[in-house]
Amino acid sequence: DTAVSQTPKYLVTQMGNDKSIKCEQNLGHDTMYWYKQDSKKFLKIMFSYNNKELIINETVPNRFSPKSPDKAHLNLHINSLELGDSAVYFCASSHTGSYNEQFFGPGTRLTVL
Amino acid sequence: AQTVTQSQPEMSVQEAETVTLSCTYDTSESDYYLFWYKQPPSRQMILVIRQEAYKQQNATENRFSVNFQKAAKSFSLKISDSQLGDAAMYFCAYRPMNRDDKIIFGKGTRLHILP
Repeated sequence: DTAVSQTPKYLVTQMGNDKSIKCEQNLGHDTMYWYKQDSKKFLKIMFSYNNKELIINETVPNRFSPKSPDKAHLNLHINSLELGDSAVYFCASSHTGSYNEQFFGPGTRLTVL
Repeated sequence: AQTVTQSQPEMSVQEAETVTLSCTYDTSESDYYLFWYKQPPSRQMILVIRQEAYKQQNATENRFSVNFQKAAKSFSLKISDSQLGDAAMYFCAYRPMNRDDKIIFGKGTRLHILP
């Protein structure tokens, strides 16, 4: 059974378009995250939600808007896509608490042309 | 600000040999957690091992062990009896012990296993 799933796995789109990436976890976790991994493999957190409440919001353009309809879902909507948005986006989830392991989804490779 | 540094962008090791990946970090906190994550070509991020800063004993998980030197702010990963399946990017990560539980990752070390 998939623990953290993301759709789509690959996304190719034109500059200026709006796109969404969906994330779902079936682990009963109460915290979910979005990370961006750039072409140099650098992995950086973008957002974190705990019980549907925004906890972490790093310096991310406001074209990026996370939405958490419930504890099991954290979707990422991106408006007016730019070339620099091309990256792999990872969703993750965990129980609350720094010790707890974060379980990562398979990643979504976004390519903006 | 906390930072995590992995000074070895790439490393190679012969199959069945032992390899050590380096990681240093900078923080003013006294309580935190440290992690090593593995990212194989499949892209999946997998937790390899974790260490609580308040524990002096080094964590071990089968062939994986760490050398945690708190005063030196060093957290190296040792892989014994390297296997072909160990080939991956390895990320060292730091996480403070508070509710704002943001993980900070190093830039990664790509490990090649030579048959």
